[in-house]
Amino acid sequence: TQLLEQSPQFLSIQEGENLTVYCNSSSVFSSLQWYRQEPGEGPVLLVTVVTGGEVKKLKRLTFQFGDARKDSSLHITAAQPGDTGLYLCAGDNAGGTSYGKLTFGQGTILTVHP
Amino acid sequence: SAVISQKPSRDICQRGTSLTIQCQVDSQVTMMFWYRQQPGQSLTLIATANQGSEATYESGFVIDKFPISRPNLTFSTLTVSNMSPEDSSIYLCSALNVGGSGNTIYFGEGSWLTVV
Repeated sequence: TQLLEQSPQFLSIQEGENLTVYCNSSSVFSSLQWYRQEPGEGPVLLVTVVTGGEVKKLKRLTFQFGDARKDSSLHITAAQPGDTGLYLCAGDNAGGTSYGKLTFGQGTILTVHP
Repeated sequence: SAVISQKPSRDICQRGTSLTIQCQVDSQVTMMFWYRQQPGQSLTLIATANQGSEATYESGFVIDKFPISRPNLTFSTLTVSNMSPEDSSIYLCSALNVGGSGNTIYFGEGSWLTVV
């Protein structure tokens, strides 16, 4: 069974601060996805990282996939109250019968105070 | 991208009854999945909905409790049978599209079930 350890579980910061969320595993993933979920809604895909060492930027969000494709991080610069939500990492192992099945981390509840 | 619609979006159900959730994708997709998200928790995969054949269930989930259908490449249903308060959850449908940059997996808005 593949596991993804996501940390921290809770993050409460002031507007303008920077933060990083981590996802770590002992397993290799073919790709890793980051989602943001707001109350009452389903997860919304932010980014997919596929290549080891890959870095992707989405405005103030920077996503990195580890060289060994076992870990990933999400860094938010100058957080804003609109960034508040549940952030989820999810690994996809496209090998064999696991094709397309996502293993989710526990989630990080981010609260950005004005 | 794929747009996924789920019905119902919310429901309050009586203990012992069953409810079927529908998932419609606006385009043909390779794979469809059903997840559960219990209050305050992350998502757990229930099963892979296989087109034209029986679904593939994850450990801890069985067909008698969560029968799934997928009659074509754009539609699937999940039934939550003989519900108890422990089944109160968000049930999410997801769809996989295979592309040159890797697999992209989309989620519906979820169906929020409360069992009383």
